[in-house]
Amino acid sequence: DGGITQSPKYLFRKEGQNVTLSCEQNLNHDAMYWYRQDPGQGLRLIYYSQIVNDFQKGDIAEGYSVSREKKESFPLTVTSAQKNPTAFYLCASREGLAGGQAFFGPGTRLTVL
Amino acid sequence: AQSVSQHNHHVILSEAASLELGCNYSYGGTVNLFWYVQYPGQHLQLLLKYFSGDPLVKGIKGFEAEFIKSKFSFNLRKPSVQWSDTAEYFCAVLLYNQGGKLIFGQGTELSVKP
Repeated sequence: DGGITQSPKYLFRKEGQNVTLSCEQNLNHDAMYWYRQDPGQGLRLIYYSQIVNDFQKGDIAEGYSVSREKKESFPLTVTSAQKNPTAFYLCASREGLAGGQAFFGPGTRLTVL
Repeated sequence: AQSVSQHNHHVILSEAASLELGCNYSYGGTVNLFWYVQYPGQHLQLLLKYFSGDPLVKGIKGFEAEFIKSKFSFNLRKPSVQWSDTAEYFCAVLLYNQGGKLIFGQGTELSVKP
């Protein structure tokens, strides 16, 4: 069954702690993306990666970090430097062809207490 | 900076009314354009896309969109909405010369009254 897996669905952390969100895809897609979804602000791009071992900052990368050591995995770390980390985080993947659509995971809701 | 702007944040319609949701983007290079929909409690899913050819594209569930390059617009339309179209709609733009950067608008929440 092909798709994108994000775990866990809900995550709670104390302020000042780093936390890593998992994203795995078995669609053999080259590109992967991380977004943050807040009410009224749509999806804001945090980081994206077109190929293994390469990634670029999106529009709101401050306080976040990523790695892309394997094609199928693109974990996101929310660091203590992120001023407002409580949000819904969405991971997506996309094949690299022209017009290729992005497929989304179910999301992780992170709450920092 | 590149951006995507959706004009309406919340639209309320009665069933059978016509729908048009605006989307404009700011980027001068080659783009692919998408509309996604998020039904309550569900993943985002693709409604339709444009990447070349006929600027009028048709998608699922009777939706269509028109790419007007001179206006940097990609408006979504449906002639007659149904209660089941109640959802949030997102316009997205793939920036080809920016390493595959895919950016989204703020979203438009559509409420259809039965």
